[in-house]
Amino acid sequence: GQSLEQPSEVTAVEGAIVQINCTYQTSGFYGLSWYQQHDGGAPTFLSYNALDGLEETGRFSSFLSRSDSYGYLLLQELQMKDSASYFCAVRDRGSGTYKYIFGTGTRLKVLA
Amino acid sequence: EAGVTQFPSHSVIEKGQTVTLRCDPISGHDNLYWYRRVMGKEIKFLLHFVKESKQDESGMPNNRFLAERTGGTYSTLKVQPAELEDSGVYFCASSQSLGGVEQYFGPGTRLTVT
Repeated sequence: GQSLEQPSEVTAVEGAIVQINCTYQTSGFYGLSWYQQHDGGAPTFLSYNALDGLEETGRFSSFLSRSDSYGYLLLQELQMKDSASYFCAVRDRGSGTYKYIFGTGTRLKVLA
Repeated sequence: EAGVTQFPSHSVIEKGQTVTLRCDPISGHDNLYWYRRVMGKEIKFLLHFVKESKQDESGMPNNRFLAERTGGTYSTLKVQPAELEDSGVYFCASSQSLGGVEQYFGPGTRLTVT
């Protein structure tokens, strides 16, 4: 079957670094995306990894290891506004067309 | 550039009634996706349009759900008749045609079936 696992909740303080892990099991893996969603808002795209390694975009970085079916999102210099839910999503081509399979989301709470 | 819009933002209906959700994707985006999130669970894929064609509707729960995208522009998702378990937030997302890995999500429609 197809599944993604990520922690349900993470808490950290302002200025800290936090890592949100994601492990996946899919049949036609193409890449791993990360999305941020504030309460009541729309998910917004953060990053996409198709190849192994680290991609850095400002305070956020995303890592992928295809051999381990594992990725993570790293948030540095945490700010209060980073409090949100973070979803990993696999871009899958198991049935011949691209489909995105999302995890259940990790709720990040940033404390002052 | 206008983002993805959805209408209505909220809908409360009784079991057995019909509801139609609408999504207007970003202009020029051929790919349109429907998702649903039930509280605390994953954002679950429902179906994928490329222009007016259904590419993948493997996530549609059952035949009470009907999605259309006439003319390859906006899309509608009709639930008829609605059941209690259909409650959740329905998101629409669009992306560009070639290599478009970034999906642009709409604000969602919160559907409550009582």
